[in-house]
Amino acid sequence: EADIYQTPRYLVIGTGKKITLECSQTMGHDKMYWYQQDPGMELHLIHYSYGVNSTEKGDLSSESTVSRIRTEHFPLTLESARPSHTSQYLCASSVGGKLFFGSGTQLSVL
Amino acid sequence: GQQVMQIPQYQHVQEGEDFTTYCNSSTTLSNIQWYKQRPGGHPVFLIQLVKSGEVKKQKRLTFQFGEAKKNSSLHITATQTTDVGTYFCLESGYALNFGKGTSLLVTP
Repeated sequence: EADIYQTPRYLVIGTGKKITLECSQTMGHDKMYWYQQDPGMELHLIHYSYGVNSTEKGDLSSESTVSRIRTEHFPLTLESARPSHTSQYLCASSVGGKLFFGSGTQLSVL
Repeated sequence: GQQVMQIPQYQHVQEGEDFTTYCNSSTTLSNIQWYKQRPGGHPVFLIQLVKSGEVKKQKRLTFQFGEAKKNSSLHITATQTTDVGTYFCLESGYALNFGKGTSLLVTP
């Protein structure tokens, strides 16, 4: 198993709050990804990065933003959370095309 | 990377029965990867196939890559309740898009 960490594991917040989901990996992987997944549904790629100062949007339109200032850190930020943002957010890094996932953050926006 | 189509979307089997899921692409794939996600968990890498006609086995799991490199299959022999989960295939590439996967339910 790879060393990729996501915090918090669970988060319940009110509408309009700004939140940041943390993702860190200690393997020195250049490529990192954020996926959004509703229960029993497919994973949707929302952001990815190929290295420091590189970020791209995925296929799923998202109101979130990401940054990649350090190789090991790839945080995702929601400026103003809404109930439609309720979902599981999975972070991953890759090397040689193989993806390693964190345990995810389950976000509930009330 | 392109998204491959996976069938079936759901499969319910009795423990001990075999199970197969298929991935199909309209274009030639450079490789195919398989992942498993347990309920409430995160996807875990199982295997990557690269060569035309490649077959790899992991205990009761058999992975195949088609001769034309446009399809792949995962076959589980004598399913167990621990096989429950969603199995995803995808082509490793620039932006890694998962499909809907196949959700397997195994009842004792």
